[in-house]
Amino acid sequence: NAGVMQNPRHLVRRRGQEARLRCSPMKGHSHVYWYRQLPEEGLKFMVYLQKENIIDESGMPKERFSAEFPKEGPSILRIQQVVRGDSAAYFCASSQTSGSSYEQYFGPGTRLTVT
Amino acid sequence: GQNIDQPTEMTATEGAIVQINCTYQTSGFNGLFWYQQHAGEAPTFLSYNVLDGLEEKGRFSSFLSRSKGYSYLLLKELQMKDSASYLCAVREYQAGTALIFGKGTTLSVSS
Repeated sequence: NAGVMQNPRHLVRRRGQEARLRCSPMKGHSHVYWYRQLPEEGLKFMVYLQKENIIDESGMPKERFSAEFPKEGPSILRIQQVVRGDSAAYFCASSQTSGSSYEQYFGPGTRLTVT
Repeated sequence: GQNIDQPTEMTATEGAIVQINCTYQTSGFNGLFWYQQHAGEAPTFLSYNVLDGLEEKGRFSSFLSRSKGYSYLLLKELQMKDSASYLCAVREYQAGTALIFGKGTTLSVSS
């Protein structure tokens, strides 16, 4: 059973470009979460999605960031007009249900570097 | 708001026992998780507590006291491969199912 898949693993973008990060949840999981980890900082929640629905985006910056989880295909985190401060590791996690006891399984992360 | 505190770094030797503490302040506690994260890798689930008491799983145990807003992760018979960051995370009712993480404790195990 494949785990959570993320690609690319490493992404380099120049300031002003767009970054697209992809996440395929574990088989049978319909809940996807995106987290950002800055150097020397803890994981910060960004957004929680189910298929075709954004459930909670309270942790996502209001501008330049968007996320989707279409009916078919992976979840996408999109960052427009990237700035140096966007350099971080972006982790996707998935869970089987939204029940509080269900742990979230994390993908390997995408390390974004903005030059 | 929420605040989760854990020590930044700890060191221990092989075969020893180490306890990593985590204190939290949240409104509407709905579970506490411990994750292990090796450098450059994904966090992996270790334990979940929602009721007071001790949960044991092999060499790892986790304790929770909701009234004190306190948890600890206990690692026994330490091995070199246990060198990693240990992340304490809390779930709140208001936050749905999102996890609120502390900054993590970096554990270094030496021979």
